[in-house]
Amino acid sequence: QKEVEQNSGPLSVPEGAIASLNCTYSDRVSQSFFWYRQYSGKSPELIMSIYSNGDKEDGRFTAQLNKASQYVSLLIRDSQPSDSATYLCAVKYGGADGLTFGKGTHLIIQP
Amino acid sequence: EPEVTQTPSHQVTQMGQEVILRCVPISNHLYFYWYRQILGQKVEFLVSFYNNEISEKSEIFDDQFSVERPDGSNFTLKIRSTKLEDSAMYFCASSLMGQGNTEAFFGQGTRLTVV
Repeated sequence: QKEVEQNSGPLSVPEGAIASLNCTYSDRVSQSFFWYRQYSGKSPELIMSIYSNGDKEDGRFTAQLNKASQYVSLLIRDSQPSDSATYLCAVKYGGADGLTFGKGTHLIIQP
Repeated sequence: EPEVTQTPSHQVTQMGQEVILRCVPISNHLYFYWYRQILGQKVEFLVSFYNNEISEKSEIFDDQFSVERPDGSNFTLKIRSTKLEDSAMYFCASSLMGQGNTEAFFGQGTRLTVV
């Protein structure tokens, strides 16, 4: 069974601090990893994709991938109240078309 | 910016009725997907579609579901005989490629309520 695990939270972070979100996955044969943001009642919005080990930075967001340990993380620097949302980790396993999603981490940025 | 569009935004139907959910993927994308999210639960993959045929489907996508690309722009999900447990948000997504390095972009969703 291919699983993606996330801590559901809520994760509460003060405004301006770094928010750190983590995700683990079950299958070593995984190709692609994605972070989506989902506001309540809305659709998933792609934030970051990462395909190889290491860090990938895009503005205030940094995705980190460690395939040996089977985890992927998302760092949000200078957190803003508008970053308050549920963050979904998604994995494209080898040979699959569809994404396997985690349940998401609910992030709250406190003003 | 190109986006995936879905209609209707909300559909209420009686149990046992057929519903068709519609999507217009991003125009140059080649892979199309349907996902669903039951309230409070995770997003689940239903089916992927490429080159006018299903390329992958999950165990959720049973005989009551079907997909079609009736013309060059629309992509539809049909549920033949709806059940109460089909109530969920249904998201259409599209990507340029299906395998390897690819990114899927989601539409705003259709909230299906079966009563």
